[in-house]
Formats: sequence, structure tokens, C-alpha cells
Amino acid sequence: GQNIDQPTEMTATEGAIVQINCTYQTSGFNGLFWYQQHAGEAPTFLSYNVLDGLEEKGRFSSFLSRSKGYSYLLLKELQMKDSASYLCAVRDSGGGNKLTFGTGTQLKVEL
Amino acid sequence: NAGVTQTPKFRVLKTGQSMTLLCAQDMNHEYMYWYRQDPGMGLRLIHYSVGEGTTAKGEVPDGYNVSRLKKQNFLLGLESAAPSQTSVYFCASSYELAGDKRNIQYFGAGTRLSVL
Repeated sequence: GQNIDQPTEMTATEGAIVQINCTYQTSGFNGLFWYQQHAGEAPTFLSYNVLDGLEEKGRFSSFLSRSKGYSYLLLKELQMKDSASYLCAVRDSGGGNKLTFGTGTQLKVEL
Repeated sequence: NAGVTQTPKFRVLKTGQSMTLLCAQDMNHEYMYWYRQDPGMGLRLIHYSVGEGTTAKGEVPDGYNVSRLKKQNFLLGLESAAPSQTSVYFCASSYELAGDKRNIQYFGAGTRLSVL
């Protein structure tokens, strides 16, 4: 099975940088995903890592260390619209492309 | 470009009533999923399907049944609703492409269900 931990809440200032951490313990690993979910809306895909290292996509970057069971999502130049829940999810190595989600980190961006 | 569509968006049931949630996707995806999302619990997989005519249990399948008679549709049934099934239900679908290992799951807007 999978066990995924991420902080429940974080607060940051507009224009700043914030790092959201995710640690996982898994019996089989086949990729880590980050999703963004605004209140009352569907989760939307942000990033995917399957090899160690940093993946950059505009203001968002995601890092993975498989040996440490650790990932982070880095958000730069924070905007008010970035206030949302950020979900870390691990895909196991079994069939079905199944994801196990963490409980999500609620990010609040303040002026 | 509809993507994943869930109906209904909201529903209130009385304990013991039955209902079916419909998920439809127009992306020709092979895989479809039903999740529930509860405060402090995150998204939990109820059932999933890897193709038309197939279904499999996820993490929390008890009290739910599913059917995938057509590739584009995935139905979630509650035969006898209980207050513990009050939740937000999300459907998702994903592809499998040889050149893209991400197999991203795309989510519908959710169904908010209250069981009284």
C-alpha cells in the first residue's frame, strides 16, 4: 500500500516563493503527481515526476527523490489565484494506473 | 470540448434510498475511476475500470457498485444510501499512450451528495 504525508495548511505572501513537501512510503512506485484543486472545483493536473530531479513548468516546479521517498512542489511569484489545495499523488506499479492521494495542502496567499 | 461530465451536480437522499451517478467522457479514454473526497481524508478510490465491460475494486468499495457498459460511460450506484456516504464524488478518466508515460487522470466537476 501507499502512505503519503503533506502539511495540512500553509500561508505565503503574494510575490513570494513557497515549497510544499510530500513524503511517501510505497510498496511499488511508478510516478508522482501534483494536482491543484480550487475550492468547490475539480482537481487539475500540475506536474509529473518519475525520475529523480527537478521538472520545471513556468512558475511551478516539482522535485523528486525516489531514494528518500520525497517530493516538493515549488511555486514562484505567488499570485492570489494560487490560493488552492495542492494534492500529492503516487502511482503504484500495479495495473490500472491507480493513484493514491495525500490529504492535500491548503495554501493561502495573502497580500 | 466537454472532457469529463458528471451528473447530477448535487443530490440529497434519505437513508435507504438508491441512486446512480453518471460519468461520461468524450476523450476516448480506456481507464475510468470513481473517488470520494471527504474533509481530512483526501481523495479515495472507490472503483475503477480499465476498459469497457471491466470493473475493479478500489480502496473503499463497500456500499457501492459500478458498471461500464459503454467505453465513454462509468456509472456509480448506491443501492441503500447511508449517512456515511455523504461526500463529494469525483469521476476521472485517463489514457494509455505508448509515447506518454504520464497517463494523466482528468477529473469531472464532482457530485455533492448528502444522505440524511
